[in-house]
Amino acid sequence: EIVLTQSPATLSLSPGEGATLSCRASQSVASYLAWYQQKPGQTPRLLIYDTSHRATGIPARFSGSGSGTDFTLTVSSLEPEDFAVYFCQQRSLWPFTFGHGTRLEIK
Amino acid sequence: EVQLVESGGGLVKPGGSLRLSCAASGFTFRNAWMSWVRQAPGKGVEWVGRIKSETDGGTVDYTAPVEGRFTISREESKNMLYLQMNSLKTEDTAVYYCTTLMYYSYPDNWGQGTLVTVSS
Repeated sequence: EIVLTQSPATLSLSPGEGATLSCRASQSVASYLAWYQQKPGQTPRLLIYDTSHRATGIPARFSGSGSGTDFTLTVSSLEPEDFAVYFCQQRSLWPFTFGHGTRLEIK
Repeated sequence: EVQLVESGGGLVKPGGSLRLSCAASGFTFRNAWMSWVRQAPGKGVEWVGRIKSETDGGTVDYTAPVEGRFTISREESKNMLYLQMNSLKTEDTAVYYCTTLMYYSYPDNWGQGTLVTVSS
């Protein structure tokens, strides 16, 4: 199965700063990668699908890029509500897999 | 508005069985590909399996950890999704989520989850 490795495990930033989260696949997933946000006590929410397409209602400060094995989620200017755990997920090959997550915490 | 409501979780001994249900509303269930995913306490998200829509044949894909022990099914007349779990192991302890799938593969609507605890 395709293994997704996310880095860093934890990212400490302040509101207003930009954030860059990484997801690396063990083999190419083409553009078939999504990002999810999970806040404490809540279910995950789909943010970005197929690398760069924002899901319905997702603010423009969230953007995704990459292809093949290396992907990035960028938050241009962090709002207080953005501090959460972020997961990536590939749909290139069954079994689809999730990364273990990056925790974005307030510095 | 899409609503997914899971039920049936609880405490079960290793080797036991449990059946989870998911009541779906707010969309055309028979056209929807659905999935079960799970999340162990404090851990990441893991796929259990997905089921195609009735119109696409209704077949199921499972992941290796549950293949042969878990069965996903759907009942179109009741807009219900099920997860029959047999031969449960302690490592199956998790919150189980029912989801709809975008592009047959991205969970885009999630239920609130139901907790399954496997312990003696």
